[in-house]
Amino acid sequence: AQKVTQAQTEISVVEKEDVTLDCVYETRDTTYYLFWYKQPPSGELVFLIRRNSFDEQNEISGRYSWNFQKSTSSFNFTITASQVVDSAVYFCALSGSGGSNYKLTFGKGTLLTVNP
Amino acid sequence: KAGVTQTPRYLIKTRGQQVTLSCSPISGHRSVSWYQQTPGQGLQFLFEYFSETQRNKGNFPGRFSGRQFSNSRSEMNVSTLELGDSALYLCASSSIAGGIGEQFFGPGTRLTVL
Repeated sequence: AQKVTQAQTEISVVEKEDVTLDCVYETRDTTYYLFWYKQPPSGELVFLIRRNSFDEQNEISGRYSWNFQKSTSSFNFTITASQVVDSAVYFCALSGSGGSNYKLTFGKGTLLTVNP
Repeated sequence: KAGVTQTPRYLIKTRGQQVTLSCSPISGHRSVSWYQQTPGQGLQFLFEYFSETQRNKGNFPGRFSGRQFSNSRSEMNVSTLELGDSALYLCASSSIAGGIGEQFFGPGTRLTVL
């Protein structure tokens, strides 16, 4: 079975601080996909990024960056110079490549609060 | 492009009743997945349909069932409702099966069981 652990339940920062959200995953599949989704207070989940298991390049998109390390089974997400609009629940998710793992498994989420 | 729509948005039922939730995916998407979100268990996968076939199912009792129509619209049914079924039910559509592609989520149906 596949599993995603987000150890940080809640994080609170002050605007303009950098913040890193941790994600650790478990899977026996050699091909898998990792995701981050954002759920703002309005409730609708929004896709942020997808990574496949063969692409360990870090990615940067504006103030967002992702660090994928297969050696530690981690896929961490950093927000640079956080803003109040970044306040949301962030979910890390994993999908395997076959059988019962061929579905999205979510972590429990990290509630990020950015205070002005 | 219209997003994923779910109806109804809110529902109140009593124990023992049954309920049907509906999801209309983004045009052209053949994959529809359903998730249950609760404060205690988080987001849990219920099932996925792709081209009218159930591709995968999560660890939920048989009271939870679904189907997909030829136009890719999907319905989810919960029979003999229990208090613990109170949750936000989210539907997501994708152009790729198996949860490996970007999923587009609807606003959810908030089900309250009294």
